[in-house]
Amino acid sequence: EIVMTQSPATLSVSPGERVTLSCRASQSVGSNLAWYQQKPGQSPGLLIYGASTRATGIPARFSGSGSGTEFTLIISSLQSEDFADYYCQQYNNWPLAFGGGTKVEIK
Amino acid sequence: EGQLLESGGALVQPGGSLRLSCAASGFTSGNEAMSWVRQPPGKGLEWVSRISGSGYSTDYADAVKGRFTSSRDKSKNTLFLQMNSLRVEDTAVYYCAKHSGSYYYFEYWGQGTLVTVSS
Repeated sequence: EIVMTQSPATLSVSPGERVTLSCRASQSVGSNLAWYQQKPGQSPGLLIYGASTRATGIPARFSGSGSGTEFTLIISSLQSEDFADYYCQQYNNWPLAFGGGTKVEIK
Repeated sequence: EGQLLESGGALVQPGGSLRLSCAASGFTSGNEAMSWVRQPPGKGLEWVSRISGSGYSTDYADAVKGRFTSSRDKSKNTLFLQMNSLRVEDTAVYYCAKHSGSYYYFEYWGQGTLVTVSS
């Protein structure tokens, strides 16, 4: 079973700042890694799949990178609507697994 | 654009049963695999179960194996999760989610339905 670990758990950021979120897999998942955004009271929404491909309608300020066991989600300039929880998910092996999440909050 | 709508969440006593439904609409194909994902209050996401597009193949997380059963009625574009022998730790918002073709990331999510297991 693959364990996904996200860091940091919480990130306090000011609008306009660059944000880097990390996700690590306990064994290689290739590029089979997705990122989701979840705002309070809402269901998650797909941001990135294939480690680096933005989902339909996702702004270019979101970018994903990495392969194997180390992955990164970058928000180039944080907007007010980006304050949310972010989750990574591996889909290379069963069972599917999510990271514990990173909360991006207003500084 | 496609939509997923869950229903059936309720307050149930430990040891009880519940059946969740997820109605899909607006998708050009009804053949993709789908999953249930849950989120305990204030906590992260946990994959629960997957069912294939045909409905003949299923997978389950160890935490629910033997207690939960996924099924689907393709004629009604509806997914079901039968939950038996419910435990306090099954308390969560349950989301149904649609996979993208043969890739098992979650392309679409429903709004979720709350299951509370408590005496």
